[in-house]
Amino acid sequence: QKEVEQDPGPLSVPEGAIVSLNCTYSNSAFQYFMWYRQYSRKGPELLMYTYSSGNKEDGRFTAQVDKSSKYISLFIRDSQPSDSATYLCASSRTAGNKLTFGGGTRVLVKP
Amino acid sequence: DTAVSQTPKYLVTQMGNDKSIKCEQNLGHDTMYWYKQDSKKFLKIMFSYNNKELIINETVPNRFSPKSPDKAHLNLHINSLELGDSAVYFCASTPGPGANNEQFFGPGTRLTVL
Repeated sequence: QKEVEQDPGPLSVPEGAIVSLNCTYSNSAFQYFMWYRQYSRKGPELLMYTYSSGNKEDGRFTAQVDKSSKYISLFIRDSQPSDSATYLCASSRTAGNKLTFGGGTRVLVKP
Repeated sequence: DTAVSQTPKYLVTQMGNDKSIKCEQNLGHDTMYWYKQDSKKFLKIMFSYNNKELIINETVPNRFSPKSPDKAHLNLHINSLELGDSAVYFCASTPGPGANNEQFFGPGTRLTVL
């Protein structure tokens, strides 16, 4: 069993819909949680960064972490075709320690 | 003005060959990484260097040898290439092991072993 798990998708939504992405993790020592976005044939880029449990909002993006259930979520409001990408969740035990990635969820936003 | 650059972008080679991938970052970061992304998009760390010193060495065959000539460069040499080595290899950097976790990734090197 991988330490961080994601549904690979693809998740197809119409433009303007809310995209809901989830990850589960198994390592209780994880303290830092991130979402990366990866466009086709490009490197991942950081979208959201959260420490411990709670919510964080940045524009159309909201990240939630529930450490009690080891559940990580990312919501994208008012989705745009430019949001079509693979979204990778990642976790680490301490800042700067190695990141453990999920396998990514491919998202398609149709105009 | 590429922050993290890798060469080559594509690499096609035969089984048994030896090849190198180069990575350079101009962000002034102390820590650099190599990741392997397989066909299912699973991104797994291989190595990490901080100020030219190896700090993370995952369970990687010893055919893979990283080398950091200075803190701005981290190269990856692969001996006796195998079919299973086909993947996209990403280099990344971060300010330091104790810093914010944002890792800046390069564009990747797509390695195909025939």
